[in-house]
Amino acid sequence: ETGVTQTPRHLVMGMTNKKSLKCEQHLGHNAMYWYKQSAKKPLELMFVYSLEERVENNSVPSRFSPECPNSSHLFLHLHTLQPEDSALYLCASSQGLSEWFSYEQYFGPGTRLTVT
Amino acid sequence: GQQVMQIPQYQHVQEGEDFTTYCNSSTTLSNIQWYKQRPGGHPVFLIQLVKSGEVKKQKRLTFQFGEAKKNSSLHITATQTTDVGTYFCAGSNAGGTSYGKLTFGQGTILTVHP
Repeated sequence: ETGVTQTPRHLVMGMTNKKSLKCEQHLGHNAMYWYKQSAKKPLELMFVYSLEERVENNSVPSRFSPECPNSSHLFLHLHTLQPEDSALYLCASSQGLSEWFSYEQYFGPGTRLTVT
Repeated sequence: GQQVMQIPQYQHVQEGEDFTTYCNSSTTLSNIQWYKQRPGGHPVFLIQLVKSGEVKKQKRLTFQFGEAKKNSSLHITATQTTDVGTYFCAGSNAGGTSYGKLTFGQGTILTVHP
């Protein structure tokens, strides 16, 4: 599947580094999401964007900074991360957002992040 | 906040045996989705259930949504080695404030022994 792509696929960074994760969707969707997946934990929703506007910030620490320049691209800027931030970061997109209904989400392959 | 509990956490079966995973929400859901994540892969959408008591089938997979819209199940008949992976349920809160936010269960990891 190439509907949602993510780069890089693997990233190792020190706690003082600054890096960015990139997500691109080719599905014509209007909503994009960042999730964190840690071992033995449920998928944790981090941010939701609809038509480039952030509609959800799920109590995420400020060392994670999202950016959505257009409806096809989503970035996650990382700085001064902690070792416990090591996880698989998944991007997803959906057709849109609704107050009363959730659309199916299409996930990218994820970025495996290791913070040393 | 909304919680979605999924059991069991792990299930080991022999090929050909049946498998069921259960999902329970602390609140009434507007709809529930199921995803499958293969080892080393990413979640892939399987199905969505919307109506109370709804039952849907996909080949050997049967999905149910409870009458109260607070629980759901996924049943696989005669498992195959290709069924290996983690199965997640994900619910969206009824009430109009969720903006499509999905709360995921912790998943059931299915292992199938040939």
